[in-house]
Amino acid sequence: GAVVSQHPSWVICKSGTSVKIECRSLDFQATTMFWYRQFPKQSLMLMATSNEGSKATYEQGVEKDKFLINHASLTLSTLTVTSAHPEDSSFYICSAGRTDSYEQYFGPGTRLTVT
Amino acid sequence: RKEVEQDPGPFNVPEGATVAFNCTYSNSASQSFFWYRQDCRKEPKLLMSVYSSGNEDGRFTAQLNRASQYISLLIRDSKLSDSATYLCVVKGAGSYQLTFGKGTKLSVIP
Repeated sequence: GAVVSQHPSWVICKSGTSVKIECRSLDFQATTMFWYRQFPKQSLMLMATSNEGSKATYEQGVEKDKFLINHASLTLSTLTVTSAHPEDSSFYICSAGRTDSYEQYFGPGTRLTVT
Repeated sequence: RKEVEQDPGPFNVPEGATVAFNCTYSNSASQSFFWYRQDCRKEPKLLMSVYSSGNEDGRFTAQLNRASQYISLLIRDSKLSDSATYLCVVKGAGSYQLTFGKGTKLSVIP
């Protein structure tokens, strides 16, 4: 149990375009999902926390208008990187939280390359 | 001071060696502690939780010292498959939020 999927697993896009990444909890309902970003040789950094049916909470320094998060259902959260730039190239990982245990289950990640 | 600090690494060790990783955390209110393993270009995966009494899982032993705010991971009889980055992770009480260390890269050499 507690499987989280992400789609796509990798994406290459041109500068200025937008990219949507999906995160799904496959066998449990997740009222809370998290989006992380990891640059090479760096740790995972929390970008935002999303709660189903409400606005996401962004960490300091993360532009909410650039990284749009939608958590419209208990099994799906999406992250849209708008007007992507090469510096947005990174490994984006989502996780879904189980309410009963406060545990996070990680998706396999999406590698974004902006050319 | 960073919230979670780890040995910078990388650690290059021969097969069969014993290797120890250290980690310190700054928030004394932290309640839960973990070691995660992350392979290259993959998501982090939970290796083991860490308890004050110390806990062991096969070749892996984790220790927590709350007074010193210090966590350790010991790997005995290293295998090639142990090569990965090991992340020290800390969580607050009644919260989902995880704080990750930068990780220590381990390479086990034949």
